[in-house]
Amino acid sequence: KNEVEQSPQNLTAQEGEFITINCSYSVGISALHWLQQHPGGGIVSLFMLSSGKKKHGRLIATINIQEKHSSLHITASHPRDSAVYICAVKKSSGDKLTFGTGTRLAVRP
Amino acid sequence: ETGVTQSPTHLIKTRGQQVTLRCSSQSGHNTVSWYQQALGQGPQFIFQYYREEENGRGNFPPRFSGLQFPNYSSELNVNALELDDSALYLCASSRGLAIDTGELFFGEGSRLTVL
Repeated sequence: KNEVEQSPQNLTAQEGEFITINCSYSVGISALHWLQQHPGGGIVSLFMLSSGKKKHGRLIATINIQEKHSSLHITASHPRDSAVYICAVKKSSGDKLTFGTGTRLAVRP
Repeated sequence: ETGVTQSPTHLIKTRGQQVTLRCSSQSGHNTVSWYQQALGQGPQFIFQYYREEENGRGNFPPRFSGLQFPNYSSELNVNALELDDSALYLCASSRGLAIDTGELFFGEGSRLTVL
C-alpha cells in the first residue's frame, strides 16, 4: 500500500464546477505539498501546508493532521485547470518528499 | 517560470549506455533534489544534494549518481542503462533545506527513453 493515496485517479468536470481532490497518508508528516503538473511535464508548487487551510485565487487547500487527510478544492473550474494534481508529503523523519500518483483533471468548456 | 532549467529535454539511449542529465537552479538555491517519474506514476525521490554533498537518497541503485556544483547547477548520471530507466527525470531546487516552507521550484524535466 502506498504511503500517499489520492482520489479520484481521474476526474472530468464541466467548466464552472466545484472540484475536490483528496489525499490520504499513512505516515507522520511535517509538511504536505500540492503540486500541479501540466502535460509537458513541468511541475508547479501550489501550496505547502502543515496545518489548517490556505487559499490562493480559486484554489483552496485544507489539511487535517489528526485524520491524515488533505483536500484541494478548485472553485469555478476552467479548462486551463486541466492538469495532473499531485500530493506530496515530507515525513517527520527525513528530508525527502513522498509523492502520490496524482489525480488527472480534465475540465471541459 | 520557475527559474530552474533542465537539459536535454528529450533523449534516446540504448541499454547499457550512460547518460548525464543537467539541472540549473536559481542563484542562491543550494539544495537540489532529483526525481524519476515513470509514465502514469508519481515522482520517486532519487537523491538530494545540499551544499554539494549528498544528504538523502531514495531506493535507487548506485549506478544512479549525482553532482552539485558551486554555481547552483547539478547533474544526474545513470550508468548501465536499463529499459526500466525510461522515465521523466525532474529536478527541484530550494533555498536551504526548505521543503518545509513551500519554496520548491521544479524544472520541466528530461524525458529519457532507453531502447
